[in-house]
Amino acid sequence: GAGVSQTPSNKVTEKGKYVELRCDPISGHTALYWYRQSLGQGPEFLIYFQGTGAADDSGLPNDRFFAVRPEGSVSTLKIQRTERGDSAVYLCASSLTVGATGYNEQFFGPGTRLTVL
Amino acid sequence: GIQVEQSPPDLILQEGANSTLRCNFSDSVNNLQWFHQNPWGQLINLFYIPSGTKQNGRLSATTVATERYSLLYISSSQTTDSGVYFCVPGGYNKLIFGAGTRLAVHP
Repeated sequence: GAGVSQTPSNKVTEKGKYVELRCDPISGHTALYWYRQSLGQGPEFLIYFQGTGAADDSGLPNDRFFAVRPEGSVSTLKIQRTERGDSAVYLCASSLTVGATGYNEQFFGPGTRLTVL
Repeated sequence: GIQVEQSPPDLILQEGANSTLRCNFSDSVNNLQWFHQNPWGQLINLFYIPSGTKQNGRLSATTVATERYSLLYISSSQTTDSGVYFCVPGGYNKLIFGAGTRLAVHP
């Protein structure tokens, strides 16, 4: 597609359940990022992939959060034992390979709104 | 990590007015983007501007990297300009978002 896509657009789950959020980056973009945005705040970085590997996962809040990108394209953010505090909009972004030029313009998807009851 | 301060935090304009949004950041950066988050939550890329000046229609931006600030100019504002504007510095990977400037343009 032309832009970053994310599914589902909305997800409502119960406390303690497992959820998966999917991100399809822009075709040809090798770098992929996950951010989380709480109401009234700016997005916060969670994890960054370069290709298939997680190059920086320093933003993941705890070990209930995990993300994969097995073929270097689509990524899935997985949240185990969800808590009410996990409710937020989860944003995905992608960019071209970060190379020697340092050019790294990130493009964002529409987000998945997660509500944990 | 890099700290971002945007001013003003909130801005109300009458349609047709001009405005300047400012962003100060605490450290040298390799990357700086301006985004507009519309009322539906979509982050729209405005400028990729780690240094220099760029213009796109009614919008222009200037980053003075040596002095660690960036400015976004909005001319002849329209109601569709409403939303939150983020100045986002970063390194080669993560972007660091602040709270942004919340803009409301009234007809």
